[in-house]
Parts: sequence; C-alpha cells; structure tokens
Amino acid sequence: EPEVTQTPSHQVTQMGQEVILRCVPISNHLYFYWYRQILGQKVEFLVSFYNNEISEKSEIFDDQFSVERPDGSNFTLKIRSTKLEDSAMYFCASSEELAGVYNEQFFGPGTRLTVL
Amino acid sequence: QKEVEQNSGPLSVPEGAIASLNCTYSDRVSQSFFWYRQYSGKSPELIMSIYSNGDKEDGRFTAQLNKASQYVSLLIRDSQPSDSATYLCAVRSSKAAGNKLTFGGGTRVLVKP
Repeated sequence: EPEVTQTPSHQVTQMGQEVILRCVPISNHLYFYWYRQILGQKVEFLVSFYNNEISEKSEIFDDQFSVERPDGSNFTLKIRSTKLEDSAMYFCASSEELAGVYNEQFFGPGTRLTVL
Repeated sequence: QKEVEQNSGPLSVPEGAIASLNCTYSDRVSQSFFWYRQYSGKSPELIMSIYSNGDKEDGRFTAQLNKASQYVSLLIRDSQPSDSATYLCAVRSSKAAGNKLTFGGGTRVLVKP
C-alpha cells in the first residue's frame, strides 16, 4: 500500500542552525502539506502546496519557513534559523483530490525535531 | 478562531464494549470531517471520513455527523485493546483554499481486557 515517507526520523540541531526536513508524498497525489505537533499539544497546520506553489499557510509559517518540491518526488520543509520553540514532531501529508470536499490527507511517520 | 473541541479523556472502555467519542466544531461552513487514530509517538492514521449528515459505517467504526448541531461523533464497536489510542477529530472548512485541516486535541481511549 502506498505511503508517505519522511527523513530523517529524528533531527537534533543547535539553535540558529538551518534544518531541512524531507518527505516523499504518495506518488499520484497532488496536494502536499506540513503539520507540526508540539509534545502534548494539538496537531497544527503549517502549509499546503499545490502546483509548485503555496496554497495556504498559517500564522506559524513565517519568513523562517519555506517549502520546495525540488524534483518529481521530494517535498521539503526548511527552517532557516531554528528556535527552541520549533522543537516538535513535523508531519508531512498528501492528498489525491484537488481542493474539493472529498479530500483525505494521509500522514507520514513524522520527523522529531529537537532544538538545543 | 475556528475551533474543534474534544473531551481529552481518558475514556475507559471494557473490551468488547462500545466506545463513543464526540467532537464539536465552531465553523458553521465546515464541509469535511475526519477521524484519525494516533498511537503514542506515532503519526495520525486516517480511519474515517464523513461529508453528509447521518451515519457512515466502516467495519467496527461508525461516524455520525449533524451539521445543524455542529457535532460529529465516532463509535467503536467491540472495542479491542489494540484500539487504545488517542482519536483526533479534524475538520476542513469550505473556505480552506488549501485544504487546511483543523484538529481537536484528541480523546484518549483505554480499552481494558
């Protein structure tokens, strides 16, 4: 069964450093997403991406964040200068349908980001 | 601020019984509703989606939607210890151009053998 994959599973970085989280969405999916979940808190939407551009982003997704689809399979989230409060699980998700009602999003296993 | 609310639990259920989970949402124009299961330290796993008022059954799971009351529920029949997890309600607004999902805080379910 097709699934979303993410690398690395765990990333430890120093405050102020840049990190890139990688995702391979399900191959025939058209929409890609990043969510994050701080330990013990809700899953929060960061950004959605369609047709090589951002469709929607949250207030969390400020200038320190960027997304890219560098090739036909990978989808990346870059945090330019990490802060302690960026420590969280970051989930990539993808969905098959266009922006319609019948939109089911499937999540990858996540990357645990720890900022020291 | 669009909110999705769930009772945090834990909801303790004997093995074989029915677990009933509830979720309310504030955005009246919400169109799509999802239930995800999340085991500790793992990612959300989609188990049910519902778009129309009424019931939708899939195996041991039944989702119920009442848009007038802004209420969605999940029933788990014949609960098994492997159903012990946190169940997340997620809502997509019709105004969400980018398909943004808003999640509730989740209800922790404990199924006791």
